[in-house]
Amino acid sequence: KAGVTQTPRYLIKTRGQQVTLSCSPISGHRSVSWYQQTPGQGLQFLFEYFSETQRNKGNFPGRFSGRQFSNSRSEMNVSTLELGDSALYLCASSWSAVEAYNEQFFGPGTRLTVL
Amino acid sequence: AQSVTQLDSQVPVFEEAPVELRCNYSSSVSVYLFWYVQYPNQGLQLLLKYLSGSTLVKGINGFEAEFNKSQTSFHLRKPSVHISDTAEYFCAAGTGNQFYFGTGTSLTVIP
Repeated sequence: KAGVTQTPRYLIKTRGQQVTLSCSPISGHRSVSWYQQTPGQGLQFLFEYFSETQRNKGNFPGRFSGRQFSNSRSEMNVSTLELGDSALYLCASSWSAVEAYNEQFFGPGTRLTVL
Repeated sequence: AQSVTQLDSQVPVFEEAPVELRCNYSSSVSVYLFWYVQYPNQGLQLLLKYLSGSTLVKGINGFEAEFNKSQTSFHLRKPSVHISDTAEYFCAAGTGNQFYFGTGTSLTVIP
């Protein structure tokens, strides 16, 4: 069974631009969560989608948004990029909604660099 | 609010020596606890998890962790580390519908 895939793996943008990241979950998984990983802050939860609905949201500004498609693939978008948005963005999928006893399977991440 | 604290940001240890990576969580309700490992340029992989039952949890690659409710700790241990254990380790707590991660511990195994 294929794992979680994320595209692109690396991305370089400049301040003010916008970016869209993509995540394909493991086949059959309906929940997709997004995390931002930075050296100083560790992993911070962005949001979680289940059956095309955002069920949970972390404490990030409205510039960060996402969506999920009927095939469970998810995209996240960051508008008006800032230098501080440089990070590794990780996607994780699980069988159902983000409940702790359902293991999350992580993708390799997308490394975003904002210049 | 939930929080997970990993007390050591970097842990160097010689090959074949034992290691303990410390994790404390704060919670007034029941939580589920996890340890993940992240190798360079990869995502996170689950090492082990505590949901309920026995407080000693065994995971992959010879790692184990002990849940201590009174001390709100979930320390990760391995009796003998290998070079291949060099990686970033994350402790996480899940409650309800959300995960909370610690800031990570970088384990470096010295030959």
